[in-house]
Amino acid sequence: AQRVTQPEKLLSVFKGAPVELKCNYSYSGSPELFWYVQYSRQRLQLLLRHISRESIKGFTADLNKGETSFHLKKPFAQEEDSAMYYCAPPTVANAGGTSYGKLTFGQGTILTVHP
Amino acid sequence: ETGVTQSPTHLIKTRGQQVTLRCSSQSGHNTVSWYQQALGQGPQFIFQYYREEENGRGNFPPRFSGLQFPNYSSELNVNALELDDSALYLCASSPSPGDNEQFFGPGTRLTVL
Repeated sequence: AQRVTQPEKLLSVFKGAPVELKCNYSYSGSPELFWYVQYSRQRLQLLLRHISRESIKGFTADLNKGETSFHLKKPFAQEEDSAMYYCAPPTVANAGGTSYGKLTFGQGTILTVHP
Repeated sequence: ETGVTQSPTHLIKTRGQQVTLRCSSQSGHNTVSWYQQALGQGPQFIFQYYREEENGRGNFPPRFSGLQFPNYSSELNVNALELDDSALYLCASSPSPGDNEQFFGPGTRLTVL
């Protein structure tokens, strides 16, 4: 079964400090990974999709197949980055002949950036 | 562009009852997925609907069922509610069933007493 591990439930840093949120996965299928973010009182939204290799709000994530990791990084954290972050590798599988995508979420990391 | 909407926002039921949650997909999206998020946990995939049929299911019992309508909106039905069903239920839509980028609604908070 596919597993996602986010080892840190809570992470606190000061404004301007580098931040790294860890994600390790075990899965079979195409290497497509996502980071989703949920800000206070807002809905879950996509932060980063590794295939696009876009840098969203200064965050980047590199897929390390050897370590099966997809850690999220930002060189200088901002207070507005405080949120819940989920790592989510999807699985495309066949069900009755039709492929479907589903997301497998980790338990999440609550990031708090102090002023 | 209209985002994903869900109703109701909150719901309180008692054990053994049945509940129906509703979701309207984002404009242009034909696929709807449902997730259960227990307190302190990440969302767990329940099932996906495409072309008005179930198109994949997670590890949830048959008392969790759903519907999708011609306008792509969807319902999640849970029968014989149990205390452990208390959770935030999230609906997500995507442009196609194989598209892993999903757009989430605000969720429905279900409390089972």
